[in-house]
Amino acid sequence: EDQVTQSPEALRLQEGESSSLNCSYTVSGLRGLFWYRQDPGKGPEFLFTLYSAGEEKEKERLKATLTKKESFLHITAPKPEDSATYLCAVLMTGTASKLTFGTGTRLQVTL
Amino acid sequence: NAGVTQTPKFQVLKTGQSMTLQCAQDMNHNSMYWYRQDPGMGLRLIYYSASEGTTDKGEVPNGYNVSRLNKREFSLRLESAAPSQTSVYFCASSGSSWGERLYNEQFFGPGTRLTVL
Repeated sequence: EDQVTQSPEALRLQEGESSSLNCSYTVSGLRGLFWYRQDPGKGPEFLFTLYSAGEEKEKERLKATLTKKESFLHITAPKPEDSATYLCAVLMTGTASKLTFGTGTRLQVTL
Repeated sequence: NAGVTQTPKFQVLKTGQSMTLQCAQDMNHNSMYWYRQDPGMGLRLIYYSASEGTTDKGEVPNGYNVSRLNKREFSLRLESAAPSQTSVYFCASSGSSWGERLYNEQFFGPGTRLTVL
């Protein structure tokens, strides 16, 4: 069965304390992996797309990487404004443009 | 550009009532989607429309109907609301193309918070 699993469910960091969020997937064929940020009461906001193993994308303090089985979202020296829920989603072969989402990691960054 | 817009933002219904959630996008995207988001369940696809004139069921279609009115608009209808349909509903769109590459990133609206009593 195709699955997308994110860990940890919740993460609390102090400002400046770097860490990584994990998204592991078991799908029959990966066409793309997507990272989103979701603030409370808002819709998900697109961050990155990764298409092939070894690919990396960066945006400010965030860096996304992809292997054949998982993706990491590395957060370097986070700030309180990075607090949000981070969602990953996969696009599989043979599924048109339908995404399968994980349940997210809730990140809280404190001073 | 407004991106993806949804109306209403909040709605309270009684069991058995009907309503339509509206969604519009101004990014010239081909594909549009309706999701529901429940605590601990993540985003689940209800229906999607790969292109104007087509609609298909997603993971959780029971109790819902959709209409792709034109390329910009995609509505979700609850014919007889049930408490199990209490959720946050998101509309999304995707499918811009540059040259030969089709970009599959989905862009989301702000959501509709629906409570069914």
